[in-house]
Amino acid sequence: NAGVTQTPKFRILKIGQSMTLQCTQDMNHNYMYWYRQDPGMGLKLIYYSVGAGITDKGEVPNGYNVSRSTTEDFPLRLELAAPSQTSVYFCASSFLGDYSNQPQHFGDGTRLSIL
Amino acid sequence: TQLLEQSPQFLSIQEGENLTVYCNSSSVFSSLQWYRQEPGEGPVLLVTVVTGGEVKKLKRLTFQFGDARKDSSLHITAAQPGDTGLYLCAGVGTSGTYKYIFGTGTRLKVLA
Repeated sequence: NAGVTQTPKFRILKIGQSMTLQCTQDMNHNYMYWYRQDPGMGLKLIYYSVGAGITDKGEVPNGYNVSRSTTEDFPLRLELAAPSQTSVYFCASSFLGDYSNQPQHFGDGTRLSIL
Repeated sequence: TQLLEQSPQFLSIQEGENLTVYCNSSSVFSSLQWYRQEPGEGPVLLVTVVTGGEVKKLKRLTFQFGDARKDSSLHITAAQPGDTGLYLCAGVGTSGTYKYIFGTGTRLKVLA
């Protein structure tokens, strides 16, 4: 019963490096989301997707890119890492339908530090 | 831009005390969810409220959605150390988008 799986769990990057945070879900959910959570704070939406091939910006998309080629996978790409991107990143998914009642299922997060 | 403000931001209480956490906005939401998050983990859904004025109870936790669907509260009766965590409210807008707007969070610590 995997749910939402994120890899890696931890990563340290140097300024200017790039990396991809992986997210996969096995619940056949249409909606997927990427959030960042700064220490002691709530979650801010980076990008979201309502289905394969469809993505849209959230509140804080600058410096990130996403793709959704399959229902299961929703990777997040950082092209030129900056110290301001140090955060914990959460991927989530939910089911299409009466969306207002559907919970989001979260992964355990990726803790990213940029030095 | 829809915003959700939570108060208080931090709360430290003794076991057995009662507390209320508030989630307020100037925007109307079609529904509002409450999550609890523990260190090193993702948020986990506690409840969803949909109808204005709705009250839901989950053991010692009582959730209420405001009549105008702009605000919500979480009341915990006789808090226990196991209630310690970060509580987050999240609203779904009425504009037909599928974005959840998260509140600023309330960090609760219950001391034994």
